[in-house]
Amino acid sequence: AQSVTQLDSQVPVFEEAPVELRCNYSSSVSVYLFWYVQYPNQGLQLLLKYLSGSTLVKGINGFEAEFNKSQTSFHLRKPSVHISDTAEYFCAVRGSGGGADGLTFGKGTHLIIQP
Amino acid sequence: DGGITQSPKYLFRKEGQNVTLSCEQNLNHDAMYWYRQDPGQGLRLIYYSQIVNDFQKGDIAEGYSVSREKKESFPLTVTSAQKNPTAFYLCASSTPGEQFFGPGTRLTVL
Repeated sequence: AQSVTQLDSQVPVFEEAPVELRCNYSSSVSVYLFWYVQYPNQGLQLLLKYLSGSTLVKGINGFEAEFNKSQTSFHLRKPSVHISDTAEYFCAVRGSGGGADGLTFGKGTHLIIQP
Repeated sequence: DGGITQSPKYLFRKEGQNVTLSCEQNLNHDAMYWYRQDPGQGLRLIYYSQIVNDFQKGDIAEGYSVSREKKESFPLTVTSAQKNPTAFYLCASSTPGEQFFGPGTRLTVL
């Protein structure tokens, strides 16, 4: 079984400032890690994913995340945010051992961009 | 266009009624999923299906039922046994490395 903790329920940031959204996970097996973004009343869109290889993963819209196995973290970063980045962000994990189990999600972080 | 469609977008139901949410995908994925989203709770897995005619309970299956008669379709029925059904419901399908989500159905019980 896995679990995901998103440490901040809300993160207010000024436009053009950098941002980091924190995600920690626990798992007894190797994992795949994901960040999704959700705009109001819409489905989830994949920002980026870590399956294997380089621990620094680049995604869409200028976001990146770094997988840190020793700290069991997968924090999401963007060097300069835009007003259009205002949304809910979800970190998710699943075991990498095959099968089609569903994702385990964190409770989400609401990113609020202030002009 | 390949993708996942969910219908209806908004659904209202009276207490004690069953209601069925539609999910269709044309991505040729074997695996499909239903999640429930409540404010501040993230997404929780209701049911999933790895292949036609087979499905498994997720973390919160009580009060829900599903069928998987076709690869493309994975409808979810919210039964009267579900005590708090008002929520946003998301359907997904997946490859081994990624899940793709539909636009969601918002169910409100009056």
